[in-house]
Amino acid sequence: SYELTQPPSVSVSPGQTARITCSGDVSPKKYTYWYQQKSGQAPVLVIYEDTKRPSGIPERFSGSSSGTMATLTISGAQVEDEADYYCYSTDSSGERRVFGGGTKLTVL
Amino acid sequence: QLQLVESGGGVVQPGRSLRLSCAASGFPFSSSGMHWVRQPPGKGLEWVAIIFYDGSIKDYADSVKGRFTISRDNSKNTLYLQMNSLRVEDTALYYCARGGTDLVPDKWGQGTLVTVSS
Repeated sequence: SYELTQPPSVSVSPGQTARITCSGDVSPKKYTYWYQQKSGQAPVLVIYEDTKRPSGIPERFSGSSSGTMATLTISGAQVEDEADYYCYSTDSSGERRVFGGGTKLTVL
Repeated sequence: QLQLVESGGGVVQPGRSLRLSCAASGFPFSSSGMHWVRQPPGKGLEWVAIIFYDGSIKDYADSVKGRFTISRDNSKNTLYLQMNSLRVEDTALYYCARGGTDLVPDKWGQGTLVTVSS
């Protein structure tokens, strides 16, 4: 089965850079997408197609991808960025759609 | 303004059925693929099903294949999820989401809670 692996938790102080990784099975690699889910709220798309930012998402959110690993970077993390973050992608056939297990980001 | 409103959740016994609905507005529903995604209490997101804009193609997670059916009524701007043979492990908050770029979920509703319990 196709799986995406994320670290369960990441912790940074306000103003520091937070990096959350997402690793999957071998190529050909599909795009990775990132969602932010704050407590009690629906997920919000923050990065699409590995590196692109939807309108309204702060510039401190960025994405990158290399090989079979994608990374969400929050440069100068703010307290309001505390949330669960999920990556999403598909397998090489495009038929299996999966979310990573999620990473809890703590900013304090 | 884009809006997705799920309904139909509730408490149901194992083995019974339930149908969820998702009313869409504020975007061209009949041109959009749609997803169902679920989240068990305190756990992560699980993709459940997708339907293409015209209903011609549907796909399901292995965990629900053969038990759940996704459908849509473009005349009513409504998405459905028929859930049969429900199991305790189907207990979750069920979200509908629009398929945006690359048919990836890009806008989400607030979810409807399904509890399967005897």
